[in-house]
Amino acid sequence: NAGVTQTPKFRVLKTGQSMTLLCAQDMNHEYMYWYRQDPGMGLRLIHYSVGEGTTAKGEVPDGYNVSRLKKQNFLLGLESAAPSQTSVYFCAGATRNTEAFFGQGTRLTVV
Amino acid sequence: TQLLEQSPQFLSIQEGENLTVYCNSSSVFSSLQWYRQEPGEGPVLLVTVVTGGEVKKLKRLTFQFGDARKDSSLHITAAQPGDTGLYLCAGPVPYNFNKFYFGSGTKLNVKP
Repeated sequence: NAGVTQTPKFRVLKTGQSMTLLCAQDMNHEYMYWYRQDPGMGLRLIHYSVGEGTTAKGEVPDGYNVSRLKKQNFLLGLESAAPSQTSVYFCAGATRNTEAFFGQGTRLTVV
Repeated sequence: TQLLEQSPQFLSIQEGENLTVYCNSSSVFSSLQWYRQEPGEGPVLLVTVVTGGEVKKLKRLTFQFGDARKDSSLHITAAQPGDTGLYLCAGPVPYNFNKFYFGSGTKLNVKP
C-alpha cells in the first residue's frame, strides 16, 4: 500500500532553475492538493485538482503551475525558482467529504 | 489573515498535565478535521467533527465542535511524551468542498 508518494524528498535549487515535483497516489482519490508548509504558517494551499484534466488555484498559486493529466498523478512545477519558494511541500489526496491523505513531503531549498 | 486561527501557537507542558488547543473561525464550516504531524512526516488525521455541539473521544483526546460550527477544541488529558507534535485543524471552505484550508497549528511539547 503505497498511498500518496512524493518525489523527490529533498532538493536544492539555484535561483532561476526549474523543477517538477511529482505526487502519485494509488487510492483512487478524485481530489488532489499541493500545499506548502512554512514555520508558523501551517499549510497553505497552492493549487488543487478535482479530477483528471482539471486544476484550480488555491491561496498562494503565484510562481507555481500544476498538471493532472492522469488521475493518479499531480505535478507541481516551478518555472523559475526563487528563495521565497524555499519550503516543505506536501501533496494530499482525498475523496469528497473524506479525510485527506498526505505524502511525506518534499523539502526544497532555493539558494 | 488565516481562515482558521489556532491557539496557542506553542505549548510546553510536563507529562501528566491537561491541555486544550483551540481552532476558531469567523466562518461556518460543514465539518472540521484535526490532524497531528510529527517531524519529517505529513499530517495524519485524528478525527472529523460534523455536527454542531458534537463531542468525540479518542482515548485521552476529546474533540468538540462548537454549536455554531465556527470553532473547535482539542483537549488532552494526562498528556504523555508521545503526544508531542504539531496539531492542525482543517476544514473545507464554506460552499466549496474542494478546498481544504488549514490552521497555523499548535506545536505541543510534552516533557517527561
